[in-house]
Amino acid sequence: AQSVTQLDSHVSVSEGTPVLLRCNYSSSYSPSLFWYVQHPNKGLQLLLKYTSAATLVKGINGFEAEFKKSETSFHLTKPSAHMSDAAEYFCVVSDRTDSWGKLQFGAGTQVVVTP
Amino acid sequence: DTEVTQTPKHLVMGMTNKKSLKCEQHMGHRAMYWYKQKAKKPPELMFVYSYEKLSINESVPSRFSPECPNSSLLNLHLHALQPEDSALYLCASSQEETSFVYEQYFGPGTRLTVT
Repeated sequence: AQSVTQLDSHVSVSEGTPVLLRCNYSSSYSPSLFWYVQHPNKGLQLLLKYTSAATLVKGINGFEAEFKKSETSFHLTKPSAHMSDAAEYFCVVSDRTDSWGKLQFGAGTQVVVTP
Repeated sequence: DTEVTQTPKHLVMGMTNKKSLKCEQHMGHRAMYWYKQKAKKPPELMFVYSYEKLSINESVPSRFSPECPNSSLLNLHLHALQPEDSALYLCASSQEETSFVYEQYFGPGTRLTVT
């Protein structure tokens, strides 16, 4: 079975400082991993995805994530937070547990950016 | 263009009303999804359509009735809803149904309030 745990439900950062959102996953197969962002009252936007290619994945808006199989982690980072980064972030895993690869969402991390 | 559109943005309906939510994509994707998202929670899968056929029904009550008229359109017909059905309804699409290969693109959602 697949599962994902976002280790922080709430992260507060100052504008211009680094952002780290932590995600651990569990999967019986080689997983695909995604980070999505959701701004208030909006849909989900794909930030980046990992599908067994390079372990360091670069996404949109300066975000990147590193797949570490030994640690079963897929943490999301950004060197310098911007006010527009305030949003909910979801780590998502998908694998062959069911034939079509249902997305398994983490509980989400709320990011607050202070001036 | 990676856009999924949804109408209406907001909908208020009584428990005896019949209404429909609409979703459209022009990316040539062959899989389309309906999700329900309650406040401060991740999206929950409701239905999956693959090549215009219902592929997955996550035990959704019959007061929700999906329809896929063609490969670009997805509807969700609502009838006799309950107040607990109030939520953000998200549509998504992907190139194929296998989510561990193909990422899903989400629409902005319809905010539904049942009175």
